[in-house]
Amino acid sequence: KQEVTQIPAALSVPEGENLVLNCSFTDSAIYNLQWFRQDPGKGLTSLLLIQSSQREQTSGRLNASLDKSSGRSTLYIAASQPGDSATYLCAVRPNSGGSNYKLTFGKGTLLTVNP
Amino acid sequence: SQTIHQWPATLVQPVGSPLSLECTVEGTSNPNLYWYRQAAGRGLQLLFYSVGIGQISSEVPQNLSASRPQDRQFILSSKKLLLSDSGFYLCAWSNSGNYGYTFGSGTRLTVV
Repeated sequence: KQEVTQIPAALSVPEGENLVLNCSFTDSAIYNLQWFRQDPGKGLTSLLLIQSSQREQTSGRLNASLDKSSGRSTLYIAASQPGDSATYLCAVRPNSGGSNYKLTFGKGTLLTVNP
Repeated sequence: SQTIHQWPATLVQPVGSPLSLECTVEGTSNPNLYWYRQAAGRGLQLLFYSVGIGQISSEVPQNLSASRPQDRQFILSSKKLLLSDSGFYLCAWSNSGNYGYTFGSGTRLTVV
């Protein structure tokens, strides 16, 4: 059974700092990994999607890496801003089998960027 | 472009009352559709998923049911709500290609 762990559970940084959020998964047989952002009381917004054959994806100040063999992904946020404050979730999609539609989510990292 | 609509945004219902939450997707055909529940401190839990009209798979035995009467419409229902049904319900869609999941804006359900 796939398990996804996100560390740390909460992180508070001053504005302008670069930061890294970590995600680990126990089963390396994944189809892809997706990072989401969730603001309080809102739905999930997709940030980056990394296919299993890719090593990283970039969007603006965000960079996500994937090391499938070690079961790890990181989300790097450069020059953090107060507007980046949110919960960040990673989710993996399994590679095959009847359950390959189902994402397994981590519990998220609550990020607070202080002005 | 594809969009997903979910309503209502908030709902307060008494115990024992029925429930109907609706989700529709635009701009794509034959999507895979999902209902998730997010409870405080418990993460996201997959409740139902559907790969086609009338095809529903249930992940967790519960007081809820789902239906897919049309290709891009997914409905979450209950005949009698329990206090434990309170939570944040999210609809999502994906397709069979190399794309990710897209989530709706969610419904906050409070059962009183």
